[in-house]
Amino acid sequence: QVHLQESGPGLVKSSETLSLTCTVSGVSISSHYWNWIRQTPGKGLEWIGFSHYTGRTMYNPSLKSRLTLSVDTSRNQFSLRLTSVTAADTAVYFCARWSSTWRSFDCWGQGTLVTVSS
Amino acid sequence: EIVLTQSPGTLSLSPGERATLFCRASQSVSSSDLAWYQQKPGQAPKVLIYGASNRATGIPDRFSGSGSGTDFTLTISRLEPEDFTVYYCQHYNNSPLTFGGGTKVEIK
Repeated sequence: QVHLQESGPGLVKSSETLSLTCTVSGVSISSHYWNWIRQTPGKGLEWIGFSHYTGRTMYNPSLKSRLTLSVDTSRNQFSLRLTSVTAADTAVYFCARWSSTWRSFDCWGQGTLVTVSS
Repeated sequence: EIVLTQSPGTLSLSPGERATLFCRASQSVSSSDLAWYQQKPGQAPKVLIYGASNRATGIPDRFSGSGSGTDFTLTISRLEPEDFTVYYCQHYNNSPLTFGGGTKVEIK
């Protein structure tokens, strides 16, 4: 059974860097595309981007200048790094697996709330 | 960026009734790239329908999807108590992938 679990600080100071990790179990990370999605009451669900074990990444243009996504195959983890955060980055962050067959997200983490404080 | 507009924002129905949810895209989307999700409070979204009309594994057959081009529909034929929650459409016709704003199905 595939399981995804987000981890990282729940509180980040404004202008600093938000870093999250998603640990994948039950499947090798050397397959599929691994995504980050965030959710806020105001903007709803927002796709952040994906990373692939080959090094391929794709970012939402709205976040591209501040965003780095990566995969660590040795730990079966993938990560998000978002710099210069503001209150607008306060959200529940989900990691999710993209199914190329279904062209949808077929497996999600439970989500982690990240609050940006001033 | 393709904008997905869901309607209505809230649907008030009784158990056993039929629910029809709409998702309109700002430009034509391939049917293979349109999915529907259900999200319950405190949980991650769960895929219900992919490719506009294909039920994901384990999804009851009371859920069905249809549509093409810019207009898509999710139908719940007979609402069960556990179906009263929020539903989202999502496309990946091109980048960035986007979600609709959601429809809340509430108990009347």
